[in-house]
Amino acid sequence: EAQVTQNPRYLITVTGKKLTVTCSQNMNHEYMSWYRQDPGLGLRQIYYSMNVEVTDKGDVPEGYKVSRKEKRNFPLILESPSPNQTSLYFCASRQGSTGNTIYFGEGSWLTVV
Amino acid sequence: KNEVEQSPQNLTAQEGEFITINCSYSVGISALHWLQQHPGGGIVSLFMLSSGKKKHGRLIATINIQEKHSSLHITASHPRDSAVYICAVRDFNKFYFGSGTKLNVKP
Repeated sequence: EAQVTQNPRYLITVTGKKLTVTCSQNMNHEYMSWYRQDPGLGLRQIYYSMNVEVTDKGDVPEGYKVSRKEKRNFPLILESPSPNQTSLYFCASRQGSTGNTIYFGEGSWLTVV
Repeated sequence: KNEVEQSPQNLTAQEGEFITINCSYSVGISALHWLQQHPGGGIVSLFMLSSGKKKHGRLIATINIQEKHSSLHITASHPRDSAVYICAVRDFNKFYFGSGTKLNVKP
């Protein structure tokens, strides 16, 4: 079954404590991306990756890092989380530049206190 | 700045009604996607359009590139169509999203 898996699904953490949200896809997709969703602001793109070792900034990259060492994995790293990073996060993947369908993970609810 | 504008923000319909959701965008695009977000939060991709019209079951999506406008139509709406519908435009590898249309279909 085609799947994008995110972990953790729910997390409450404290300001400044580094955390990583993992994302893995089983479809051999080149393109992967991270988004955050906030009330009144909708979805916004954080970072994306076109392939292994190729990443680029989206609309709201500040405070986040990513890496793409393997094709299937695209972790999102919050080096020093702050309360304004409390949000619902989605990872997604797509087949290269021609993929019609975007596959989303189930979302990760992150609260920073 | 809002690269993508959707209307209406909220929509209540009776079962069986024909529904239209509109999306206007201001950036140059490679393609436009329509997404459905279920009440539980999961997001499903419905359509990708770069021109013309696509149909899948009771859902129809159209795009007018010259007018920078797309519409999502639902024929014979059903309570299970209740969800948030999101328009997303892709400028090469960057995505910009509308704020979503919350649809509630009453039996």
